Amino acid sequence: NAGVTQTPKFQVLKTGQSMTLQCAQDMNHEYMSWYRQDPGMGLRLIHYSVGAGITDQGEVPNGYNVSRSTTEDFPLRLLSAAPSQTSVYFCASSYSGRGNSPLHFGNGTRLTVT
Amino acid sequence: SQQGEEDPQALSIQEGENATMNCSYKTSINNLQWYRQNSGRGLVHLILIRSNEREKHSGRLRVTLDTSKKSSSLLITASRAADTASYFCATARGGGSNYKLTFGKGTLLTVNP
Repeated sequence: NAGVTQTPKFQVLKTGQSMTLQCAQDMNHEYMSWYRQDPGMGLRLIHYSVGAGITDQGEVPNGYNVSRSTTEDFPLRLLSAAPSQTSVYFCASSYSGRGNSPLHFGNGTRLTVT
Repeated sequence: SQQGEEDPQALSIQEGENATMNCSYKTSINNLQWYRQNSGRGLVHLILIRSNEREKHSGRLRVTLDTSKKSSSLLITASRAADTASYFCATARGGGSNYKLTFGKGTLLTVNP
């Protein structure tokens, strides 16, 4: 049972480039989310999804797109990378979005934008 | 905006001592969760306490919740070097399409052997 898998683990981009951070879970979880973690800022919610075909914005959605075509996958797209998007990105999932299910996290993607 | 705020930001103790971390939040919640993060890794869920619960235990962990003061505490008893990590509280609000889990900035715990 792999849990939540994120790829790649590390990525370096130039300003203006685009890329997709992949996230997959094999636990049949309804709820999936993306966070970014910056020093001194804790984790901030970017986008989330309560089921296939449903996505919504979190606290810091600008510059990012998501889609949820299957239960298993929740990719995060950076449209035009900026240095301010240098961060560690975590994908997390839970059984339901009704509020009483803990999150399962991937091991993160470290992104550097130069 | 941050919903939960941990206190202290950093805590250093000796092995065998107890460690207490606090979390305060601003608005009503469905539940409050504590997570641990080892350096360079993803977060791992420790305990979930519902808004109608006051105390919960799991092994050496004890969590309390005071909804009147909008605060929670995490106690780790008889700490070990392996407990060295960052600890985050997260507050859950809403449900369905409005469900959001908001994290604080964390407490860095160092347990010295």
